[in-house]
Amino acid sequence: QVQLQESGPRLVKPSQTLSLTCTVSGGSITSGSYYWNWVRQPAGKGLEWIGRIYSSGTTNYNPSLKNRVTISVDTSRSQFSLRLDSVTAADTALYFCARDLGYPNTDSWGQGTQVTVSS
Amino acid sequence: DIQMTQSPSSLSASVGDRVTISCRASQSINTYLNWYQQKPGKAPKLLIYAASNLQSGVPSRFSGSGSGTYFTLTISNLRPEDFAAYFCQQSYTLPLTFGGGTKMEIK
Repeated sequence: QVQLQESGPRLVKPSQTLSLTCTVSGGSITSGSYYWNWVRQPAGKGLEWIGRIYSSGTTNYNPSLKNRVTISVDTSRSQFSLRLDSVTAADTALYFCARDLGYPNTDSWGQGTQVTVSS
Repeated sequence: DIQMTQSPSSLSASVGDRVTISCRASQSINTYLNWYQQKPGKAPKLLIYAASNLQSGVPSRFSGSGSGTYFTLTISNLRPEDFAAYFCQQSYTLPLTFGGGTKMEIK
């Protein structure tokens, strides 16, 4: 059973870069063909898809984030990462990493990590 | 982007009730529609994929239907553990988008 765990700073200053890592255990990040996603949720609000990286390395991003996002993978550590540049208070949210959104039997999520943007 | 509109945004129901939540897409998404359940402070859990298919391990009191632009999630014989938020999500095209959610509370 694959498990995902987010990690990274809980507090980021405005205009700086938010960096989060998702560690995948219980299965190699390179075994099989999966989409590795980042999703966020401001407090009391809905879910927003940030982007994903495929096992081949191909990335897709939400245009709403206007080129501030980079998702990368480190196969040696079985991790994939999120980088969000030039953050503002609007980027304060619970950030989730997830595998294969909506795919039967492979849809899996981390528990989420709260990130606050504040000076 | 495809906009997903859920209704109602909140509802109150009792244990044993049958409830239906709807989700409307701004354009046709065939049956590329998934439903998630989320409890406070927890990750979403996939309930239904491809509009009407029950994810393994999900109780049969959950069911989904629809195609094109209109979809529904029905929960029969509500149990206490079903009181949560529910989100629809389209996987027809990028960017993936979610509905605004339906929060279900105990009456």
